[in-house]
Amino acid sequence: NAGVTQTPKFQVLKTGQSMTLQCAQDMNHNSMYWYRQDPGMGLRLIYYSASEGTTDKGEVPNGYNVSRLNKREFSLRLESAAPSQTSVYFCASSEQSYSNQPQHFGDGTRLSIL
Amino acid sequence: RKEVEQDPGPFNVPEGATVAFNCTYSNSASQSFFWYRQDCRKEPKLLMSVYSSGNEDGRFTAQLNRASQYISLLIRDSKLSDSATYLCVVNDASGTYKYIFGTGTRLKVLA
Repeated sequence: NAGVTQTPKFQVLKTGQSMTLQCAQDMNHNSMYWYRQDPGMGLRLIYYSASEGTTDKGEVPNGYNVSRLNKREFSLRLESAAPSQTSVYFCASSEQSYSNQPQHFGDGTRLSIL
Repeated sequence: RKEVEQDPGPFNVPEGATVAFNCTYSNSASQSFFWYRQDCRKEPKLLMSVYSSGNEDGRFTAQLNRASQYISLLIRDSKLSDSATYLCVVNDASGTYKYIFGTGTRLKVLA
């Protein structure tokens, strides 16, 4: 009963390094999302993909890129990591229908940038 | 005004108590509302959707007040395991597929 799977679960990078966070869902959901969560800030949307083949910026897209590889997979890339990107990253998915269905979250990637 | 506002708490209550949280939202066109539970450093988990007529799931009751633009969550007979942060989530009513999250209300149930 996998749901939303994120890899890796933990990662430490040096400033300037790049990496890709992977997310896959097995619920046949159309929409997928990437959030970051920082202490006291709540969840902030980085990018989302309403359906396969589309991606859109969220609240805090700077420094990130995304790829909706297929219906199941939605990856988040940090091209040149900065300490300000130290955070917990959550991927989520939902059925379509203009966000009237709840989201389901992966268990997160804890990323530290030194 | 924030789009979704919650009292951050913490609400410290004894076991067995009844506790209620409110969440206000700014866009009167919002149609979908949810409560999530988040344990420390874990992912948010759906607790319940909130329906117009109100709904109940065991010890948890959710209600929607459209006129005053708030939703509420009532927890009866609190358990130690209810200690968590409760997130209010509202759909973005501008026709996108986005959701708007409150920053959460922290609950501590004390033995």
